[in-house]
Amino acid sequence: GDSVTQMEGPVTLSEEAFLTINCTYTATGYPSLFWYVQYPGEGLQLLLKATKADDKGSNKGFEATYRKETTSFHLEKGSVQVSDSAVYFCALSSLNAGNNRKLIWGLGTSLAVNP
Amino acid sequence: DTEVTQTPKHLVMGMTNKKSLKCEQHMGHRAMYWYKQKAKKPPELMFVYSYEKLSINESVPSRFSPECPNSSLLNLHLHALQPEDSALYLCASRHLGRGNTIYFGEGSWLTVV
Repeated sequence: GDSVTQMEGPVTLSEEAFLTINCTYTATGYPSLFWYVQYPGEGLQLLLKATKADDKGSNKGFEATYRKETTSFHLEKGSVQVSDSAVYFCALSSLNAGNNRKLIWGLGTSLAVNP
Repeated sequence: DTEVTQTPKHLVMGMTNKKSLKCEQHMGHRAMYWYKQKAKKPPELMFVYSYEKLSINESVPSRFSPECPNSSLLNLHLHALQPEDSALYLCASRHLGRGNTIYFGEGSWLTVV
């Protein structure tokens, strides 16, 4: 079945450092890919998405490119801030046998940014 | 406006209590979801409603009972819960027929004592 593999954390960076969180997937067909972020004590927010190969999603300085050839959707940010400290989840949108759409999740990566 | 509103934000209940979690969206989304999330883990799908009909039940214990009274509202009725049911309960919605994006609410933090 479809699956998402996400680099394990926790990741600890200093402010203004470069961030990469790796995400690879296995899927039949052409899924949509997502990054969700969860700040401490809050719900899940959609950070960015890409719906087809070579699409680049971007938001709040974060970027990720849908790479079909490497089945990857790595999250990057050029200069992280303390306020980026959160848990980041990679996910893909999958159709099950009953034609219902559901999200397949990575395990999440906890990011801590120190001043 | 991509807003899913959940109430209450925090709930403490005893194992013999009956309580409900509520979710509302006014984006015209006809798919609504309940997820359960433990700390720093990915959310686990519980239920999916499509056009106000239950389309997925991920083998959730009967002490959790979902209800979709209309296209904007989703409830989760709780009865005789166990301490291990303590978690963040997330409601989400999606526009059927247009895009694959699922939008989440802020969640309800449930503690069972």
